[in-house]
Amino acid sequence: GENVEQHPSTLSVQEGDSAVIKCTYSDSASNYFPWYKQELGKRPQLIIDIRSNVGEKKDQRIAVTLNKTAKHFSLHITETQPEDSAVYFCAASTRGGADGLTFGKGTHLIIQP
Amino acid sequence: GAGVSQSPSNKVTEKGKDVELRCDPISGHTALYWYRQSLGQGLEFLIYFQGNSAPDKSGLPSDRFSAERTGGSVSTLTIQRTQQEDSAVYLCASSPRTSGRPGEQFFGPGTRLTVL
Repeated sequence: GENVEQHPSTLSVQEGDSAVIKCTYSDSASNYFPWYKQELGKRPQLIIDIRSNVGEKKDQRIAVTLNKTAKHFSLHITETQPEDSAVYFCAASTRGGADGLTFGKGTHLIIQP
Repeated sequence: GAGVSQSPSNKVTEKGKDVELRCDPISGHTALYWYRQSLGQGLEFLIYFQGNSAPDKSGLPSDRFSAERTGGSVSTLTIQRTQQEDSAVYLCASSPRTSGRPGEQFFGPGTRLTVL
C-alpha cells in the first residue's frame, strides 16, 4: 500500500520568514495530494490540495509543488504569521481523494514572534 | 450549515469492554470516512463508505473493529473487547463526493477514547 513520509517533524521559524514542509510518497499511482492544518485541540482542515495533472498551485501565502518523477510534494508558507502555528499533515490518494487518505505523521510548525 | 458531529466527545472504558462511536455527517454528503489519530501520529485510515456500495474496510486493524452506516447517513464505529492500544482520537469525515471529481473531506471534532 501507499506510504507517505513527512519532514521535518518540528519546524520553528521567525515570524515573517518562509516555511517549507516536504513529503514523499511510494505509490506512483497516487494522483491527489491534500494538505491539512490541525490547530491544538481542533479538527483537521483542508488548506490546499493538488492533483497530479499540475505541478504547482498557489493560494495567497500558501503554495504546493508536486514532482511526480521524484514522488515528492511540498508545502510552502510565505510571510508566516502567529496564526500559522499548528500541525500540518500531508496526504496522498490513488483515487483522486475518493477513498481513504494516507497521511504523513505531521509537522509541528512553530512561529516565533 | 452544521458540520460533521461526533459523539461522545470523550469515552473512558475498561479493557475488554465494547464501545460504540457515532458520526453524523454533513447533510447530503455521500462519502463517509473513519480515521484514528494516536498521540503524536498522523491520521490512520480505517474504513470508507460511499453511497450504497460495499464499504472499503481495508484499514481496519483487526476483526474487533467494525462499522456500519444506516440509511446512507449516520455511522457507528464499534470496537469489541477494547485493548489499551485502541486508545486514540477517532475522527470521522464526510465528503460531497460526486462522480468525476471527489470533494474535500470535512472532519468532525473526534471522539477521544481511553482504554484503562
